[in-house]
Amino acid sequence: AQSVTQPDIHITVSEGASLELRCNYSYGATPYLFWYVQSPGQGLQLLLKYFSGDTLVQGIKGFEAEFKRSQSSFNLRKPSVHWSDAAEYFCAVAPDDYKLSFGAGTTVTVRA
Amino acid sequence: ETGVTQTPRHLVMGMTNKKSLKCEQHLGHNAMYWYKQSAKKPLELMFVYSLEERVENNSVPSRFSPECPNSSHLFLHLHTLQPEDSALYLCASSHLDSKTIYFGEGSWLTVV
Repeated sequence: AQSVTQPDIHITVSEGASLELRCNYSYGATPYLFWYVQSPGQGLQLLLKYFSGDTLVQGIKGFEAEFKRSQSSFNLRKPSVHWSDAAEYFCAVAPDDYKLSFGAGTTVTVRA
Repeated sequence: ETGVTQTPRHLVMGMTNKKSLKCEQHLGHNAMYWYKQSAKKPLELMFVYSLEERVENNSVPSRFSPECPNSSHLFLHLHTLQPEDSALYLCASSHLDSKTIYFGEGSWLTVV
């Protein structure tokens, strides 16, 4: 069975600094990969997804993610964080169908 | 505002009550999902409906009863719940041929 690991439970970053959130997956082939964001009290919003092709994927809100097959990773990055980026971020994978498996999430705190 | 609307946003119910959560999607999708999000646990897929037929039931207790009367609406009927069922219940939808799932803002359920 596939699994998703987000090694960092909580990250604190200064406003304007760069952010990188790690995601590793365990699956025999390349799954479909997603990043979602959840603001407090809200549902999940899709930031970006990778299905195939260019391994650097651009998403909404200035986020990007890079798929690295050799490392089974799909890390999320943002060059300059805004206070509104404080939220919980979830990596998810779907092997070949609709069944998303989610990581446990990384909470991002932004300090002024 | 998302294309997936959930009501109510907050619900408090006693263990002997019967209540329902409602979900409506305005995206023209043909698959709908219920997820459960508990504190400190990854999101759990509960039910999947494809073309109004249930195709997935992930060992969910019978006190949770889903209903999908048409491709735009999904209900989760609740009865004789336990305090450990308190969680955020997320509805989502997608196209059958797409791996991309869109979430509603969730219904916060508290069982007292």
